Order: sequence, then structure tokens, then C-alpha cells
Amino acid sequence: NAGVMQNPRHLVRRRGQEARLRCSPMKGHSHVYWYRQLPEEGLKFMVYLQKENIIDESGMPKERFSAEFPKEGPSILRIQQVVRGDSAAYFCASGLANTGELFFGEGSRLTVL
Amino acid sequence: AQSVSQHNHHVILSEAASLELGCNYSYGGTVNLFWYVQYPGQHLQLLLKYFSGDPLVKGIKGFEAEFIKSKFSFNLRKPSVQWSDTAEYFCAVRRNYGGATNKLIFGTGTLLAVQP
Repeated sequence: NAGVMQNPRHLVRRRGQEARLRCSPMKGHSHVYWYRQLPEEGLKFMVYLQKENIIDESGMPKERFSAEFPKEGPSILRIQQVVRGDSAAYFCASGLANTGELFFGEGSRLTVL
Repeated sequence: AQSVSQHNHHVILSEAASLELGCNYSYGGTVNLFWYVQYPGQHLQLLLKYFSGDPLVKGIKGFEAEFIKSKFSFNLRKPSVQWSDTAEYFCAVRRNYGGATNKLIFGTGTLLAVQP
């Protein structure tokens, strides 16, 4: 399924810079989820958003990370002052309300030098 | 704490061998269960899902999974694997109750390598 679009696919940042990852959900989906995948680990839930609302951010680090899903445009995951430990693959998924099934994008791979 | 456990981190099989990947979860109550697959360099794709009804679920590409409520398990099976099944497999659980936020909790994944 090519419906969930993420960009950039690869992003390289130096420590202290900002990273912005974008996600456009499948057409008709109003629910967006962000997951982070670290080497040798599974996907860790970060945040769940609906248009203009953060529904569940229980997986977001308390500092430097933020997410939004504006009325118009893609969802954005923003990481300020990146550190090496932020290097990971960040996956976006979208879904319909209450179906449970999520459709994933191809991921954005962040490398922090 | 909420958790989904996949006991096999790496599995190596020869073509035509049978496959069973374990998945256990630690929630009580009603759950929805999923298996996703991630082929090298690709995004996660849904293999199969269980919401209710027949606990033996058929998915794509010959995969099936059985939900055993008493064991909190949802193991993935395939009678005869192919080289093209080489991928990483993720089990995921969604708690199904009024306060749930629809998020899926994933296991750590199982890397399957099928040797021709």
C-alpha cells in the first residue's frame, strides 16, 4: 500500500540541529500515529493525533519532541536539538476510527552525526 | 506494564519447512490482534488480523494464526515457507475498551531468513 506518504525517506542531521518528518495519511483517514523503531527493537508508539488534536502522546519523550496534525497539510514530527540517540526509523501510520488496523508509510530514517 | 512478547528473535529455515512464530500479550479483556510483515527495505504490511469469531484466522500468502485466549497467545503459522517469506514479522495488539486510543502495541519482531 503506497497510500501513507512519508518524507524525507532519509535525513541526516548534526547534533543540535532540528529534524522535521512529514506524513500524509491515506485518503480518507483522519487518524495518524507515529512510531519509532530502534535497531534490535520493535516499533515503539510515540503519539496519536487526529486533525488539530493530540489524542495520546504517552510515548513521546518529554523534551525536544513534538507532533502536530494541522487542519490542512501533513502531520509533522519535530525533533529539536537532536542527539545521536534519536537516530532511528520513524514510521507513520494512518487509520480509520475504531477499526484498529493501521496502514504504514515507508518510514523516515534519521541519522544524527 | 502492557507488553507484547515475541520469543523468537531470529529464525532460520529451509524452503518448504513449516513455520510457527510465537506471540504472547499481557492484557486482560478484549483485544484485537495483528501480524504485520516488513520485507527488506519496505513498509509494514498487514498479514492478518483477529477481532472476533473463529480464532483461526487466515491471512495473505498462506499465513494463518490462532488466537488462544486462555494462553494469551496469537501464534503465526505457515505450513511451507518460501525464500520470498524472508522478512521481519511483528505481532501487535490493540486493547479494545472504551478508553482505548486505537494505538497498536508491537512486539520486538522476529527476523525470518529462509534459505533456498
